[in-house]
Amino acid sequence: QQPVQSPQAVILREGEDAVINCSSSKALYSVHWYRQKHGEAPVFLMILLKGGEQKGHDKISASFNEKKQQSSLYLTASQLSYSGTYFCGTSNRDDKIIFGKGTRLHILP
Amino acid sequence: EAGVAQSPRYKIIEKRQSVAFWCNPISGHATLYWYQQILGQGPKLLIQFQNNGVVDDSQLPKDRFSAERLKGVDSTLKIQPAKLEDSAVYLCASSSRNYNEQFFGPGTRLTVL
Repeated sequence: QQPVQSPQAVILREGEDAVINCSSSKALYSVHWYRQKHGEAPVFLMILLKGGEQKGHDKISASFNEKKQQSSLYLTASQLSYSGTYFCGTSNRDDKIIFGKGTRLHILP
Repeated sequence: EAGVAQSPRYKIIEKRQSVAFWCNPISGHATLYWYQQILGQGPKLLIQFQNNGVVDDSQLPKDRFSAERLKGVDSTLKIQPAKLEDSAVYLCASSSRNYNEQFFGPGTRLTVL
């Protein structure tokens, strides 16, 4: 079951914050976040492996609510380099990772 | 450390022709993935190898797609015959173990006319 990402697209000015949500209709074992710039390959951001887990580096962080079967990616004080499409991938234990359709983020100077 | 290598980067063929893609994963990575990414969509897993064994190929259209990973290193993905709807970017990724961070190659952009 493909996870649902929201919003589909976001336009921000540099320095503003953004939240990208990822939800699934099935129980989740892990959530994976990747960023893909236009014409490039996806690049790993982080994996969350258990409910309640929160991770982050620099000004990008994420949380995983196992009960609600959803994860959120938080981008704080966005920079121009944050522009791209963000994909969440979800998996059940011993199952493949299924990616959502992506959220396009565009940062304006 | 060298990244995941793929070739060719671009390929244009006519429908019903055959095409093959090659992937060389990061040295020492046991798990190799082939994804299909249609424009505007997320990557869709076609096949996953653990060393040279298949872990998952449930979404591989086996009537026309095939893949192998000889000796647990390089891998090839073949389409025979190609259809118009196969136009996409084919991404290869590798990881040190299942469900760990995946490193993606640059992809092969396939156009079927």
